[in-house]
Amino acid sequence: QSVLTQAPSASGTPGQRVTISCSGSSSNIGSNSVSWFQQLQGSAPKLLIYSNTQRPSGVPERFSASKSATSASLAISGLQSEDEADYYCGVWDDSQQGWVFGGGTKLTVL
Amino acid sequence: QVQLVQSGAEVKKPGASVKVSCKASGYTFTNYLMHWVRQAPGQGLEWMGLVNPSGGSTTYAQKFQARVTMTRDTSTSTVYMDLTNLRSEDTAVYYCTRALGIWGQGTLVTVSS
Repeated sequence: QSVLTQAPSASGTPGQRVTISCSGSSSNIGSNSVSWFQQLQGSAPKLLIYSNTQRPSGVPERFSASKSATSASLAISGLQSEDEADYYCGVWDDSQQGWVFGGGTKLTVL
Repeated sequence: QVQLVQSGAEVKKPGASVKVSCKASGYTFTNYLMHWVRQAPGQGLEWMGLVNPSGGSTTYAQKFQARVTMTRDTSTSTVYMDLTNLRSEDTAVYYCTRALGIWGQGTLVTVSS
């Protein structure tokens, strides 16, 4: 079981807005900054969001994120077929003294 | 451009050790922590630990504490991850990643008798 909880799957149609959630605790999301990663099939993960809401250069504005208490969420607006991927949340955990990840959410674009 | 290039795939027998390398280029090697993350087939991401290229200090996930060693060679801008006493459950793709922002291409380690 992962320390962070994500729904295993999500789906949407092109152009739609989808949200992926990540639930944690006071020792991780509640006290540290959340990152989000996108992993396309057969590829290495890619940093999508850092410091809860910040996008690295090159990441489209369609990707946004937020954090509240011990939960975080990633929103993708204007869904495109190339957004079909696995999405992971990650954060430092003060109790485990290490990074922890969610189990991942597989996004399907219908 | 910033790049992390990892060593090639490995096949090991149970009980053996594996050493994966990750050569960095395109930036000042000592300015960023290097993490190792692994992914078993069809599974999620698992953080193993990190090494600070400036000084060599390490932090390991408790799960791997007894079996993993992460080192660095500043003369070649290379970090290494050594995992001992391999078991079948260690079969995975191992990634080095610069501060979780830049990722290597991954190294498949297969543990099989």
